[in-house]
Amino acid sequence: DTGVSQDPRHKITKRGQNVTFRCDPISEHNRLYWYRQTLGQGPEFLTYFQNEAQLEKSRLLSDRFSAERPKGSFSTLEIQRTEQGDSAMYLCASRLPNGGQNEQFFGPGTRLTVL
Amino acid sequence: AQSVTQPDIHITVSEGASLELRCNYSYGATPYLFWYVQSPGQGLQLLLKYFSGDTLVQGIKGFEAEFKRSQSSFNLRKPSVHWSDAAEYFCAVGARGGGADGLTFGKGTHLIIQP
Repeated sequence: DTGVSQDPRHKITKRGQNVTFRCDPISEHNRLYWYRQTLGQGPEFLTYFQNEAQLEKSRLLSDRFSAERPKGSFSTLEIQRTEQGDSAMYLCASRLPNGGQNEQFFGPGTRLTVL
Repeated sequence: AQSVTQPDIHITVSEGASLELRCNYSYGATPYLFWYVQSPGQGLQLLLKYFSGDTLVQGIKGFEAEFKRSQSSFNLRKPSVHWSDAAEYFCAVGARGGGADGLTFGKGTHLIIQP
């Protein structure tokens, strides 16, 4: 293992459908983050986990967005009833604990297109 | 709440010329500061970070950045750019001392290298 992986890399869906994305962090990283990046913008923080605990979810964009990390390893981000405005790149990152100065390592992202 | 401003959306530099990308932040204290680079189809890669100590920080690929508290700035520099440096560059801040642990990114600067 050399980095954070995300699956799928691309997802095309129709408006109203549900989608789920997966993130596998670097194995010894107990913190995991989700971001959204729209065209021409920087990543926007959505939520994060320490092990299996979701410590911040107020930044999730609406109640259609939810995330889980049931066993403290991989995480999933689900968007229900997708809208065209959800089209974006969804990025996952992970880092070691003990201090915000530790680097967040980013995955390649999942690009979502909602038709 | 913290914020990051990258005033230049696009910058064009001739290969071999020097580079400076600007970043200004807003935060109540000294934040953690990061520069990331994103190439097409690639994840975000950390170039360098500042969290304390020497205000001139060296990074990978010949990049450096200087933290100036009085100007709330963390500008990225490189003495001589290469064509492979063409990419999107993001400045980010992280909060110290707990709270929401996600990074706040600027909108990015698109670097174009002229031959």
